[in-house]
Amino acid sequence: SAVISQKPSRDICQRGTSLTIQCQVDSQVTMMFWYRQQPGQSLTLIATANQGSEATYESGFVIDKFPISRPNLTFSTLTVSNMSPEDSSIYLCSVFDSGNTIYFGEGSWLTVV
Amino acid sequence: QKEVEQNSGPLSVPEGAIASLNCTYSDRGSQSFFWYRQYSGKSPELIMSIYSNGDKEDGRFTAQLNKASQYVSLLIRDSQPSDSATYLCAVLYGQNFVFGPGTRLSVLP
Repeated sequence: SAVISQKPSRDICQRGTSLTIQCQVDSQVTMMFWYRQQPGQSLTLIATANQGSEATYESGFVIDKFPISRPNLTFSTLTVSNMSPEDSSIYLCSVFDSGNTIYFGEGSWLTVV
Repeated sequence: QKEVEQNSGPLSVPEGAIASLNCTYSDRGSQSFFWYRQYSGKSPELIMSIYSNGDKEDGRFTAQLNKASQYVSLLIRDSQPSDSATYLCAVLYGQNFVFGPGTRLSVLP
């Protein structure tokens, strides 16, 4: 399985600021996904990050709030813009490997104050 | 809308018992099914995948799939307190994973 590293692992952010989360994979993967998990909730897909094209966002998520970059097949970033306390969540990078299985990074725990 | 449903729990079982976790899904075209375990404060980790009707065993874990009834289950034999976690069922639709809400399992010593 792919090894997925996320940074930062945890952060406390001020309201109105933006934070960029980095995701690095140890192998080339075609599809990378960004999920959000709010406290006590299940996983919600934010967007699919495709190399060489715009990210595909799910209903309720927009590029202005969650811009995503995917410069190559091993790296992606998610920015959470103009944060509010409602954005306090775990943000998870995941990849879809050649075995049709999805694996997750360690997650980035964001608290907005 | 493709849906995956699970009982949210909590499901409490005594140590050494069999824990049974259930999941139903809405789309008969689904071909791949997964169980993830998520400890509090951690990211989900894959336990098992199952693709064919019947049972698939891996150590203390057995996944069961019944496509006609559109359900998949996970049995944990000889449950241990370390099995206490949230268990997420996931269904692959094409290239889209849909996760259930998760069932919180508590194994009581």
